[in-house]
Amino acid sequence: DTGVSQDPRHKITKRGQNVTFRCDPISEHNRLYWYRQTLGQGPEFLTYFQNEAQLEKSRLLSDRFSAERPKGSFSTLEIQRTEQGDSAMYLCASSLAHGGRANEQFFGPGTRLTVL
Amino acid sequence: GQQVMQIPQYQHVQEGEDFTTYCNSSTTLSNIQWYKQRPGGHPVFLIQLVKSGEVKKQKRLTFQFGEAKKNSSLHITATQTTDVGTYFCAATTSGTYKYIFGTGTRLKVLA
Repeated sequence: DTGVSQDPRHKITKRGQNVTFRCDPISEHNRLYWYRQTLGQGPEFLTYFQNEAQLEKSRLLSDRFSAERPKGSFSTLEIQRTEQGDSAMYLCASSLAHGGRANEQFFGPGTRLTVL
Repeated sequence: GQQVMQIPQYQHVQEGEDFTTYCNSSTTLSNIQWYKQRPGGHPVFLIQLVKSGEVKKQKRLTFQFGEAKKNSSLHITATQTTDVGTYFCAATTSGTYKYIFGTGTRLKVLA
């Protein structure tokens, strides 16, 4: 396993369209995080899973955002009715929940979303 | 909501000079992590601090966690051009593994 992968790497969409991103974490990692990052800012927490359970979701996240991790492996993040303000880099990270390297987050390359 | 303030926002140093970035929180933290993000890249984990007053070193990098677990610092001795990037702290509070990232300190090293 070479690390966290995300697909697609780039997505351009028109306002009002739905988009879905996929994240494949490091295989033995229990936790999976989604973040959003805009230019000059730090990653902004969106949600995280432990195995298949979504344990926390940002209150800043509108109902247009939903994430799933159905089998505790890969995860998808869907944004419905996209708005121009959704344009950002969407980062996925995974980590172990236990052991000596617990909580160390490994980030994927991100999906850059542009909403026209 | 929980916020993590990070200063300075930018730092330009001559190669060989030292560099320090600071993270501060109004709430007691459970643990704090530090990440480095190169231009165009993704954050890369550097270290995690858990204990009050903890100090960890990685070659030229020294990380500290405050006694009250409300602040942390990253110090780089004798910067090199390879140290260029943005350094973020990320912190969580007790009972959650939701990490809040600081605003980052962008380091430029002039050769």
